[in-house]
Amino acid sequence: GAGVSQSPSNKVTEKGKDVELRCDPISGHTALYWYRQSLGQGLEFLIYFQGNSAPDKSGLPSDRFSAERTGGSVSTLTIQRTQQEDSAVYLCASSLRASGTFGFFGPGTRLTVL
Amino acid sequence: AQRVTQPEKLLSVFKGAPVELKCNYSYSGSPELFWYVQYSRQRLQLLLRHISRESIKGFTADLNKGETSFHLKKPFAQEEDSAMYYCALKMSSGGSNYKLTFGKGTLLTVNP
Repeated sequence: GAGVSQSPSNKVTEKGKDVELRCDPISGHTALYWYRQSLGQGLEFLIYFQGNSAPDKSGLPSDRFSAERTGGSVSTLTIQRTQQEDSAVYLCASSLRASGTFGFFGPGTRLTVL
Repeated sequence: AQRVTQPEKLLSVFKGAPVELKCNYSYSGSPELFWYVQYSRQRLQLLLRHISRESIKGFTADLNKGETSFHLKKPFAQEEDSAMYYCALKMSSGGSNYKLTFGKGTLLTVNP
């Protein structure tokens, strides 16, 4: 595809359930970033991948959050035992190298925890 | 601490009026700053970066190191400028890796 894609676009879950969010970066982009967007908090950095490794995971809010990337391509963000405060839009972005800058984010996954 | 501050959550102007969205930063190194925009029901996208010294859609932003600011300006606002605007600072993520730290955003509304 031409841009970063994410799935699902919307996810409603019950408190305590686990969820998986997927990001498909632009083909050939080695760097991949996850951010969380919520009202009043703006965009919060979660984790960054270079290839399949994550040199910076400093933004993950708790050990309930984890992420992996396979084949230097698709990444999955997993939230275990979801809480209501996890409700937010989860955004993904990719770049050709670890320059830290990118033109477009993915469309995001809107997570609602009831 | 390294951070980006956007003091205004909301900004409302009339069409044709000048607009300035404020951004201040705190960073120990040489800063590289950006403005991102998100129009309604669209993806967040890069608007401009300070190193390019460009004007996009009539917007400009000048890095002022003395005031540690990177305000976004447009002399005559248009209704289609209504959007959420985020200021971002490029920071080291360890080694030669970098990430962006964002402010909390300013929602601009341009009224007819």
